[in-house]
Amino acid sequence: DQQVKQNSPSLSVQEGRISILNCDYTNSMFDYFLWYKKYPAEGPTFLISISSIKDKNEDGRFTVFLNKSAKHLSLHIVPSQPGDSAVYFCAARPYTNAGKSTFGDGTTLTVKP
Amino acid sequence: DTGVSQDPRHKITKRGQNVTFRCDPISEHNRLYWYRQTLGQGPEFLTYFQNEAQLEKSRLLSDRFSAERPKGSFSTLEIQRTEQGDSAMYLCASSLADGPQETQYFGPGTRLLVL
Repeated sequence: DQQVKQNSPSLSVQEGRISILNCDYTNSMFDYFLWYKKYPAEGPTFLISISSIKDKNEDGRFTVFLNKSAKHLSLHIVPSQPGDSAVYFCAARPYTNAGKSTFGDGTTLTVKP
Repeated sequence: DTGVSQDPRHKITKRGQNVTFRCDPISEHNRLYWYRQTLGQGPEFLTYFQNEAQLEKSRLLSDRFSAERPKGSFSTLEIQRTEQGDSAMYLCASSLADGPQETQYFGPGTRLLVL
């Protein structure tokens, strides 16, 4: 049973437009959520996070939205840049178990110039 | 470079052989994690250490797998009697246990291919 799901394996957007990456989770114990970005031949890099007491967190061009009732979160990138092309992983964990994250399978974002 | 490093970056071995991977975390980090990632999937948690203590192990970590962090600094992950199903990317991450919002920093991974 996959507890964190990213249903879109890939997404292609035009430079300058908005990229929206989605993630769903099933485990009610999850209350801290993270997005990682991964380039080829590198490990995942932390991008942005949100705790369940918030419904939005913004950092520059990146905004994460959390809908607890729907167990859904999304990452918005505005404006998208070619350098954003990477695999994006959603991860979730209980607030009380800070280390152990459960990851989704990733969405490959391609931003076309 | 003060990031997480892993060695080797690539390993090809024959089925039945033993392999050992090393991870050097960021120096002040007291937590160290091992994950496994197969093609098309996200990282799966294997085990983690706080200092030298191994605090949690996943069911994925069979008896053939063992991890150590003897002095609370670098860690090794050994796979005995490798099987083709062990082929994967093995990722190490480290963090400073400073509360619920701790951030994990990942190394580049060791890609294992078992023939």
